[in-house]
Amino acid sequence: EAQVTQNPRYLITVTGKKLTVTCSQNMNHEYMSWYRQDPGLGLRQIYYSMNVEVTDKGDVPEGYKVSRKEKRNFPLILESPSPNQTSLYFCASSLLGTQETQYFGPGTRLLVL
Amino acid sequence: GESVGLHLPTLSVQEGDNSIINCAYSNSASDYFIWYKQESGKGPQFIIDIRSNMDKRQGQRVTVLLNKTVKHLSLQIAATQPGDSAVYFCAEPSGGSNYKLTFGKGTLLTVNP
Repeated sequence: EAQVTQNPRYLITVTGKKLTVTCSQNMNHEYMSWYRQDPGLGLRQIYYSMNVEVTDKGDVPEGYKVSRKEKRNFPLILESPSPNQTSLYFCASSLLGTQETQYFGPGTRLLVL
Repeated sequence: GESVGLHLPTLSVQEGDNSIINCAYSNSASDYFIWYKQESGKGPQFIIDIRSNMDKRQGQRVTVLLNKTVKHLSLQIAATQPGDSAVYFCAEPSGGSNYKLTFGKGTLLTVNP
């Protein structure tokens, strides 16, 4: 089954404790992206990647890192999480050139205390 | 002082009625727009897109209208069904890149049986 998976689905952590949210897709998509979703603010793009070793900032990259060492994986790293990073995070992927038809993962709900 | 929350625009319709969801954009140079549907607890799902050289595009039970003069687009859903209940987002490429997407804040559609 074609899908985007994220882990963990739910996470409670404390300020400053490094964490990684994994994202994996099995559709051989070149393009992958991370979004955060907050009430009243909609979806905001954090980082995106057009292929292995090619990443770029979205609208709200501060406090986040990403890496794209393999085509299927695009982990989101919070080196020192803060409470304002409490949010619902979505990973998405698509074929390059058709980034509009993005397939979204199920989401990761993060609470930073 | 009193805090003001950011409320999601809402639209409530009766089953079988037509729904119209609106979206305004600010960049007159925008040339591509996408509509997404997000059901509760799930990631967004692509519905339909439109390019700026078109005024109208139809899909299955959905129609998107683009008015470039007033920088407005709308999503029309015919014969709305309970399964259409969701948050609907418009999105557009931003920052001069086709790979960076900016989403609107969304509209919550509730379909009453």
